[in-house]
Amino acid sequence: LAKTTQPISMDSYEGQEVNITCSHNNIATNDYITWYQQFPSQGPRFIIQGYKTKVTNEVASLFIPADRKSSTLSLPRVSLSDTAVYYCLATGSGRRALTFGSGTRLQVQP
Amino acid sequence: EPEVTQTPSHQVTQMGQEVILRCVPISNHLYFYWYRQILGQKVEFLVSFYNNEISEKSEIFDDQFSVERPDGSNFTLKIRSTKLEDSAMYFCASTPRPNTGELFFGEGSRLTVL
Repeated sequence: LAKTTQPISMDSYEGQEVNITCSHNNIATNDYITWYQQFPSQGPRFIIQGYKTKVTNEVASLFIPADRKSSTLSLPRVSLSDTAVYYCLATGSGRRALTFGSGTRLQVQP
Repeated sequence: EPEVTQTPSHQVTQMGQEVILRCVPISNHLYFYWYRQILGQKVEFLVSFYNNEISEKSEIFDDQFSVERPDGSNFTLKIRSTKLEDSAMYFCASTPRPNTGELFFGEGSRLTVL
């Protein structure tokens, strides 16, 4: 089971780009890297997933280097509403239950 | 956009009482899950359900818990005799394809056991 490690918390200001790095040194060949966002008192929400290189959608970008031992979630020009907990997960490999870690608590200040 | 809906949004109960939390998964999804999150702690997996049977369960999901899909739309979590430590947010989730890593979560049901 690939363990992921990410910072406990980060602070930013509105309009800045935020990069949250996750390390997953023993990620399995079949695993994808998946990021979820959770606002207070709400369920987690899938935001992006990737296997290698770069993936971009309307919410974020995900960078995964060739060795896949780490990944970086990039949130462009954050706003106050991006204040949330962000979870990095290794998913796939036949497992059905997602395992959430402690996540990174992002606080965006005005 | 289709979504997972959960009821009630908040339930307060006395210790020892039975509680049923209800979920309506997204209609074309076949895999269902319950997770819980104690205040300030991690989101913890409880159970997954497919084809009218439990696929996987965690250590938390003991004999006090049960799940059921009583009809074609609802998916319920029953806690037979609640304990103080069952106080948490309970999230239902569904997906059309497991192993994709993309689950669709509901807004949660907050259970408070007094």
